[in-house]
Amino acid sequence: QVQLQESGPGLVKPSGTLSLTCAVSGDSISSSNWWSWVRQPPGKGLEWIGEIYHSGSTTYNPSLKSRVTISIDKSKNQFSLKLRSVTAADTAVYYCARRWAGATAGLDYWGQGTLVIVSS
Amino acid sequence: DIQMTQSPSSLSASVGDRVTITCRASQSISSYLNWYQQKPGKAPKLLIYGASSLQSGVPSRFSGSGSGTDFTLTISSLQPEDFATYSCQQVYFTPPTFGPGTKVDIK
Repeated sequence: QVQLQESGPGLVKPSGTLSLTCAVSGDSISSSNWWSWVRQPPGKGLEWIGEIYHSGSTTYNPSLKSRVTISIDKSKNQFSLKLRSVTAADTAVYYCARRWAGATAGLDYWGQGTLVIVSS
Repeated sequence: DIQMTQSPSSLSASVGDRVTITCRASQSISSYLNWYQQKPGKAPKLLIYGASSLQSGVPSRFSGSGSGTDFTLTISSLQPEDFATYSCQQVYFTPPTFGPGTKVDIK
């Protein structure tokens, strides 16, 4: 059974860097899947942040591209998100998820989500 | 970005009802449309991909249709566990974008 688990600080100061890690079990991070980050501000809809392939190839949401880095650690079977220069608008539940490598692919496995609050 | 709209934004229904939710894209996205179900405090769950393909393990009472700009999610006979929020997602253009969601609650 594929499982994803987010971890990281739940509170980040404004102008700081949000850092989260997603540990993957039940699947190899080197498999033919893309590994994604999605966020959801409280009471609002879902926003796609970006994704990474095991080759290191990344795709980011243009609205966040200047502040986001997604990286992969094959030795630990995990991938990570860094979001720089955060503001209160970045307060959200952050999810990691898996997308299979297909044109119409959906996000078929998700982590439980972790709430990150940006506040001083 | 491609804008996704959904209607209605919420609906009340009874167990056994047939429920239809509509999703519209601001540009044609062929059949590159996915549907998710989300319950409070939980991660979304993929129901339908490619507009009409049922994700493994999802009950057959869920179905999807449409192409181009207009899509539909249908629940043929609403069950107690189906009360949730349903969101569509286009994956034709980057970035993938989600609809605002349709909340289905108990009448």
